[in-house]
Amino acid sequence: KAGVTQTPRYLIKTRGQQVTLSCSPISGHRSVSWYQQTPGQGLQFLFEYFSETQRNKGNFPGRFSGRQFSNSRSEMNVSTLELGDSALYLCASSLPPGGRSSYNEQFFGPGTRLTVL
Amino acid sequence: AQSVTQPDIHITVSEGASLELRCNYSYGATPYLFWYVQSPGQGLQLLLKYFSGDTLVQGIKGFEAEFKRSQSSFNLRKPSVHWSDAAEYFCAVGVSDMRFGAGTRLTVKP
Repeated sequence: KAGVTQTPRYLIKTRGQQVTLSCSPISGHRSVSWYQQTPGQGLQFLFEYFSETQRNKGNFPGRFSGRQFSNSRSEMNVSTLELGDSALYLCASSLPPGGRSSYNEQFFGPGTRLTVL
Repeated sequence: AQSVTQPDIHITVSEGASLELRCNYSYGATPYLFWYVQSPGQGLQLLLKYFSGDTLVQGIKGFEAEFKRSQSSFNLRKPSVHWSDAAEYFCAVGVSDMRFGAGTRLTVKP
């Protein structure tokens, strides 16, 4: 079974631009979560989508948004980029909630490395 | 609010030596606990998880972890470290979302 894929793997943008990152979950997984990883703040939860609905949201400004499509693929968008948005953005997928053995067990993609100049 | 603390930012061990990485959590009920490993430039790989039951859980790559409710700890262990174990290790608590510790970077000396 193919793992979580994220595109692009690397991205360079300038301040003020916007960016869209894509995530394809493992087949059969319907929950997708996004995380931002930086040396200073570590791994921080951005948001989670399930069945095209945002189920949970972390403490990030409204410039960070996301969506999920009917095939469970997800995109996140960052508008008006700032230097501090430079980070590794990780996507994780998981099976639908409810099954105790799979609760919150997330499978991560390789990430998208975003550099803002 | 739930939180995770990994007291050790960086640990160096010799190849073949034993390893213990510490993790303490703060949560009102029994949490879902995880250990992930991240190699440079890679995403996170799940090593093991604890949901309930036996407090000693076995994971991949020869790792194990022990849940101690009285100490709010979930320490990761390996009896004999290999050079390929050098990586960053993250402890996490899963509730409504996943909360990660700051990570412990493991260096393995030859």
